[in-house]
Amino acid sequence: EAGVTQFPSHSVIEKGQTVTLRCDPISGHDNLYWYRRVMGKEIKFLLHFVKESKQDESGMPNNRFLAERTGGTYSTLKVQPAELEDSGVYFCASSPIWDKGQETQYFGPGTRLLVL
Amino acid sequence: GEDVEQSLFLSVREGDSSVINCTYTDSSSTYLYWYKQEPGAGLQLLTYIFSNMDMKQDQRLTVLLNKKDKHLSLRIADTQTGDSAIYFCAESNSGTYKYIFGTGTRLKVLA
Repeated sequence: EAGVTQFPSHSVIEKGQTVTLRCDPISGHDNLYWYRRVMGKEIKFLLHFVKESKQDESGMPNNRFLAERTGGTYSTLKVQPAELEDSGVYFCASSPIWDKGQETQYFGPGTRLLVL
Repeated sequence: GEDVEQSLFLSVREGDSSVINCTYTDSSSTYLYWYKQEPGAGLQLLTYIFSNMDMKQDQRLTVLLNKKDKHLSLRIADTQTGDSAIYFCAESNSGTYKYIFGTGTRLKVLA
């Protein structure tokens, strides 16, 4: 079974540009999460999808960040316009069925974003 | 809000035991996890423990939970150079699916 995949693995952009990160969860997983680790600090929750619906977006830093999960499969996280402080590693995770209670989250390899 | 704290660095000699510690503040934590991140790789789930357990052992890994003190530890027996990585402690509770992570502890194993 394929794990969570993320694309690109690395991205270097200039301040003010737009970047779109993609996450493909494990097939059949209803739950999809985005997290971010900035400057060697803790990994912070950004948001949680259940299928195509945003269940919790309390961690999204501001309106420059837009996450979508059309059709309940893969998800994209767009940063527009990017700022220097957006640099970090963006992790995606997925877990199985929504109504089974707490499920272990499986993480992807992350996208390393550097904004210059 | 919820907070999870870890020491930043740990250095041990190959063959010794490593103990990585974590403290958390959320008294309603239900699940506690240990993830490992090797250089350039993603987060790999090592083990997890439910809050109603005191200990869990899985081969070289032993997790101890002191719920009264909100303290979690991960012991790695016979530490190998391949264990060099960043270890993240994380907690969640039954009211929300999001994980709260610590800053990670960088373990360096000296040959």
